[in-house]
Amino acid sequence: EAQVTQNPRYLITVTGKKLTVTCSQNMNHEYMSWYRQDPGLVFRQIYYSMNVEVTDKGDVPEGYKVSRKEKRNFPLILESPSPNQTSLYFCASSLEKSTDTQYFGPGTRLTVL
Amino acid sequence: KNEVEQSPQNLTAQEGEFITINCSYSVGISALHWLQQHPGGGIVSLFMLSSGKKKHGRLIATINIQEKHSSLHITASHPRDSAVYICAVRFGGSEKLVFGKGTKLTVNP
Repeated sequence: EAQVTQNPRYLITVTGKKLTVTCSQNMNHEYMSWYRQDPGLVFRQIYYSMNVEVTDKGDVPEGYKVSRKEKRNFPLILESPSPNQTSLYFCASSLEKSTDTQYFGPGTRLTVL
Repeated sequence: KNEVEQSPQNLTAQEGEFITINCSYSVGISALHWLQQHPGGGIVSLFMLSSGKKKHGRLIATINIQEKHSSLHITASHPRDSAVYICAVRFGGSEKLVFGKGTKLTVNP
């Protein structure tokens, strides 16, 4: 089944404790992206990647890191999480670029205390 | 500044009604997505438009490039259409996507 998976789905952590949210797709997509959805339903793009070893900043990259060492995986890293990073995070992928149909993961609800 | 505005923010309808959700943007775009977020949180891509009109079942999406405006229509609405509908735009040559704030639709039986 074609899908985007994220782990963990739920995470409660404390300020400053490094964490990684994994994202994996099995569709051989080149474009992958991370978004956060905050209260009021607002989506904002954090980082995106056009292919292996090619990443670029979205609108809210501060406090986040990403890597794209393999085509299928695009982990989101929070080196020192803070409470303002409490949010719902979505990973998505598409065939080549942002104008292609986007396939979303199920979301990761992160709470930073 | 690249901005995306959606209206209305909230919409309540009776089953069977014709629904229109609007999305307008500030400058020229290369593509616009309509997404549906289910009450459980899952997100599905409905349409990608760069011009004209697309139809899938009871859903119709249109875009007017000159007026910088897109609409999502739902004909014969049903309670299962209750969801948040979001437009997302790719501006110019960037690969970034900028999102509207979403429209929460509730269809009552």
